[in-house]
Amino acid sequence: AQTVTQSQPEMSVQEAETVTLSCTYDTSESNYYLFWYKQPPSRQMILVIRQEAYKQQNATENRFSVNFQKAAKSFSLKISDSQLGDTAMYFCAFISGNTPLVFGKGTRLSVIA
Amino acid sequence: DAEITQSPRHKITETGRQVTLACHQTWNHNNMFWYRQDLGHGLRLIHYSYGVQDTNKGEVSDGYSVSRSNTEDLPLTLESAASSQTSVYFCASSEVAGWEQYFGPGTRLTVT
Repeated sequence: AQTVTQSQPEMSVQEAETVTLSCTYDTSESNYYLFWYKQPPSRQMILVIRQEAYKQQNATENRFSVNFQKAAKSFSLKISDSQLGDTAMYFCAFISGNTPLVFGKGTRLSVIA
Repeated sequence: DAEITQSPRHKITETGRQVTLACHQTWNHNNMFWYRQDLGHGLRLIHYSYGVQDTNKGEVSDGYSVSRSNTEDLPLTLESAASSQTSVYFCASSEVAGWEQYFGPGTRLTVT
């Protein structure tokens, strides 16, 4: 069974600084997708970024980028120029084939003014 | 605009009562999912469906049931609510299995 591990329950960063959230996963599949979701205090789950395992190029979305290391089964999220609105829970998630998403337990990020 | 909605947004019920949480999506997605979110556990899958008349059990399905009679709706029923089922419940849908899921706003359920 696939598992997703987020080893940092909580993190904090100063406004305008850069922060990296860690995620590792375990799978025997070769084709899969990885995601980062953001959950602000409003509770809404928002897709931040998606990475296809067959793509070597790391995905980027504005200030958000990933470092995808397939061999190491690592999928970290980098947030540049952190803003107060980035304060949220961040969940790493994995999906392969026809199976449902598997989520990590989340990292609570606080951006400090 | 297409969307996914959940109702009610908040519910308080008593132990032993049957409770149904509604989920409705207008994207015409085949795939729909129910999760519960608890502190320290992230999101855990309860049930999911890949189409009309299809339902599957997830990681924490005991005490819950779903039925899929049309594409738009996947109601979640707690047959006999227990205090351990106090949680925030999220519904999600996706167009294609293996693609990103879109989430509803969540339902906070309290069982007293």
